[in-house]
Amino acid sequence: AQSVTQLGSHVSVSEGALVLLRCNYSSSVPPYLFWYVQYPNQGLQLLLKYTSAATLVKGINGFEAEFKKSETSFHLTKPSAHMSDAAEYFCAMFSGGYNKLIFGAGTRLAVHP
Amino acid sequence: DGGITQSPKYLFRKEGQNVTLSCEQNLNHDAMYWYRQDPGQGLRLIYYSQIVNDFQKGDIAEGYSVSREKKESFPLTVTSAQKNPTAFYLCASSISGGTGGEQFFGPGTRLTVL
Repeated sequence: AQSVTQLGSHVSVSEGALVLLRCNYSSSVPPYLFWYVQYPNQGLQLLLKYTSAATLVKGINGFEAEFKKSETSFHLTKPSAHMSDAAEYFCAMFSGGYNKLIFGAGTRLAVHP
Repeated sequence: DGGITQSPKYLFRKEGQNVTLSCEQNLNHDAMYWYRQDPGQGLRLIYYSQIVNDFQKGDIAEGYSVSREKKESFPLTVTSAQKNPTAFYLCASSISGGTGGEQFFGPGTRLTVL
């Protein structure tokens, strides 16, 4: 079955520290993978997407993610956290068999001074 | 500016009432989607439509209905049969349903049942 798992529902980092949000997927076919960010009471905004070109994908706001097929992972990173990065982050996978996005449960990132 | 609009932003409903949430897009996208978001559960797909006059049930369609009479509009009706409708509802669209392209999201409607 196709699924997306985000490890850690809450992550807390200090301002300036590395941000690492984990995402693992399960898929029998090469996946399309996405990271979205959601600020409180707002819709989702696309951070970056992997569509089988480069395995290291750069997105907006200094975020990037690396697709690792051997580990079935697509972790999101940012070298230095800003207070404005505090939000909820969703990893998603496109399911071609069902023509829909499968979302992880989300990770809420807190950034403290 | 192209984008997706949802209205209203906040909606209050009495038990037993049907209510319709609006979703409009001017991106010329073929596919549109409705999601429900509850704390700690991520997004769950309610209905989606890949083309005008056609739509399919998602994972949690019970108690909801949709229509797709125009390409730019995909309203969602929350019926009295939906047992726990209080949630944040998100509408999205994509160029085409089957190409794996990203979905663009509206700002959401927060529905509260009193």
